Amino acid sequence: EAGVTQSPTHLIKTRGQQATLRCSPISGHTSVYWYQQALGLGLQFLLWYDEGEERNRGNFPPRFSGRQFPNYSSELNVNALELEDSALYLCASRDKRGRDTQYFGPGTRLTVL
Amino acid sequence: GENVEQHPSTLSVQEGDSAVIKCTYSDSASNYFPWYKQELGKRPQLIIDIRSNVGEKKDQRIAVTLNKTAKHFSLHITETQPEDSAVYFCAATNAGGTSYGKLTFGQGTILTVHP
Repeated sequence: EAGVTQSPTHLIKTRGQQATLRCSPISGHTSVYWYQQALGLGLQFLLWYDEGEERNRGNFPPRFSGRQFPNYSSELNVNALELEDSALYLCASRDKRGRDTQYFGPGTRLTVL
Repeated sequence: GENVEQHPSTLSVQEGDSAVIKCTYSDSASNYFPWYKQELGKRPQLIIDIRSNVGEKKDQRIAVTLNKTAKHFSLHITETQPEDSAVYFCAATNAGGTSYGKLTFGQGTILTVHP
């Protein structure tokens, strides 16, 4: 069974630009979560998508947004990039059928210059 | 909202010793508590989890205990090996509540096991 995949592995942008990060969940998983892991910090919850809908949102500004496609893959968009957005962005997926475990992808390292 | 505190931030042990990492949570409605291990440059991997209807769970050298009254849970690793060296994160959520899906993580513990 293939795990959660993310692309790109690394992304370098300049301040003010937009970044788009992508995530493909484990086959059969309908829930996708996004977390930000800044250097030296723990994981901060960003967004949760399930069945194509945004279900929950963390304490991040509206310039962090995303969507989930009919095949349950997901996209995270960060507009008007700021230097402090530099972090590892992790996607996780979950099978809602009786399990709570979230499985993480390898992450996208976003660097804002 | 939920707040999770994790201690210690760094832990250094000799191979063969035990390691204990402790977390406290603030939301009494939290009922699912996973632990993740993250090796350098790799994704977080679930190593063990516990639900609020049990007080302890073991898996080989790893165990987790939960005290709902005190709102704290701990990870115990026995007979540590160098390959246990990693960052360990605890997390909490109210599975089934409105915050379901939002894992709140502790700040992480850097565990170093010296040969």
